[in-house]
Amino acid sequence: NAGVTQTPKFRILKIGQSMTLQCAQDMNHNYMYWYRQDPGMGLKLIYYSVGAGITDKGEVPNGYNVSRSTTEDFPLRLELAAPSQTSVYFCASGVKGAANEKLFFGSGTQLSVL
Amino acid sequence: GENVEQHPSTLSVQEGDSAVIKCTYSDSASNYFPWYKQELGKRPQLIIDIRSNVGEKKDQQIAVTLNKTAKHFSLHITETQPEDSAVYFCAASLEGNNRLAFGKGNQVVVIP
Repeated sequence: NAGVTQTPKFRILKIGQSMTLQCAQDMNHNYMYWYRQDPGMGLKLIYYSVGAGITDKGEVPNGYNVSRSTTEDFPLRLELAAPSQTSVYFCASGVKGAANEKLFFGSGTQLSVL
Repeated sequence: GENVEQHPSTLSVQEGDSAVIKCTYSDSASNYFPWYKQELGKRPQLIIDIRSNVGEKKDQQIAVTLNKTAKHFSLHITETQPEDSAVYFCAASLEGNNRLAFGKGNQVVVIP
């Protein structure tokens, strides 16, 4: 199993541009999550999904959108990128949900908005 | 909502000594408390977790203790090695158990 795969690893955007961060897992996990990690600020939940076709907002959803058309994929869309969205983004997945057993994290996407 | 705080923010220890990181949480309904380790430039990985019906759990050189009355839990690392240098995140479950609230992380530096 490849686990949780995120692409791209690095990206630089100009203010106002849009992009999609890709996340795929091959472990047949129902639960998937998007976090952002700012220096010294821990992990903040952007969006999550408990299964295909179901998505919910986390702590910091503004400026982002997600979709979950399949169990495997959970892309994160940034519309009209802003400097405040400069961060490291982690996708994660789990069998029973974050509060029941461990999350498997992807390797992260370093995004800079200039 | 749940608020998770970690102390201290940075901890330096001599190799072979023990390190203790404490987290406090605010929601008495939280029932699952994991610890994740993140090495520099790497992804977070679960190292140990504890549920609210248990007071202590050990796994080799690491242990976690939970005090539900005081609403705090701690990570204990014994006989630290340089490879234990990392940022350690604690977390607590939120209502519905689909999400976690993470602390801001503790930087642990093991000095050879």
